[in-house]
Amino acid sequence: NAGVMQNPRHLVRRRGQEARLRCSPMKGHSHVYWYRQLPEEGLKFMVYLQKENIIDESGMPKERFSAEFPKEGPSILRIQQVVRGDSAAYFCASSPPSVPSYEQYFGPGTRLTVT
Amino acid sequence: TQLLEQSPQFLSIQEGENLTVYCNSSSVFSSLQWYRQEPGEGPVLLVTVVTGGEVKKLKRLTFQFGDARKDSSLHITAAQPGDTGLYLCAGDRGSTLGRLYFGRGTQLTVWP
Repeated sequence: NAGVMQNPRHLVRRRGQEARLRCSPMKGHSHVYWYRQLPEEGLKFMVYLQKENIIDESGMPKERFSAEFPKEGPSILRIQQVVRGDSAAYFCASSPPSVPSYEQYFGPGTRLTVT
Repeated sequence: TQLLEQSPQFLSIQEGENLTVYCNSSSVFSSLQWYRQEPGEGPVLLVTVVTGGEVKKLKRLTFQFGDARKDSSLHITAAQPGDTGLYLCAGDRGSTLGRLYFGRGTQLTVWP
């Protein structure tokens, strides 16, 4: 069974450019979560989505960051006008609809470097 | 401020030794999860504990959830080099469905 897939695995952007991170949940999973991991810090929750709905975006910066999980296709985390402080590992997790959402399965992450 | 504090931050031991890693909070959690993360990879779920006082065993790993559901521990018996990795605890508050709060992790190195 394929796990959570994320691409690209590594992404380099110059300041001011846009970064698009993609996440395909595990088969049968309809809940997607995005987390950010900064050096020397733990994973921080950003946003929780279900198909076509944002359930909780309280952990996401209000400016420049957006997320979607369309009816078809992967979930996208978009960062506009990136700054050096956005450099981090971004992880996507998913969970099935039939079990509590605290059981989350993580993808391998996208390492974003802003130069 | 971290909702979950893990200790120790680093642990370096010889193969065959036993060890315990702690995850503490002043807040109550509905459940706690333990993950292991290797360099360049995502966290891998090891176990979930949901009942205060619960003990779960996974081969040489024993996980315990505190009676008050504010803390947890991970005990490894006869550690092996393959146990090397970053151990993360995470918890959900119940009222914030979907959000997991993570500790900073314990980096374990087991030398042959």
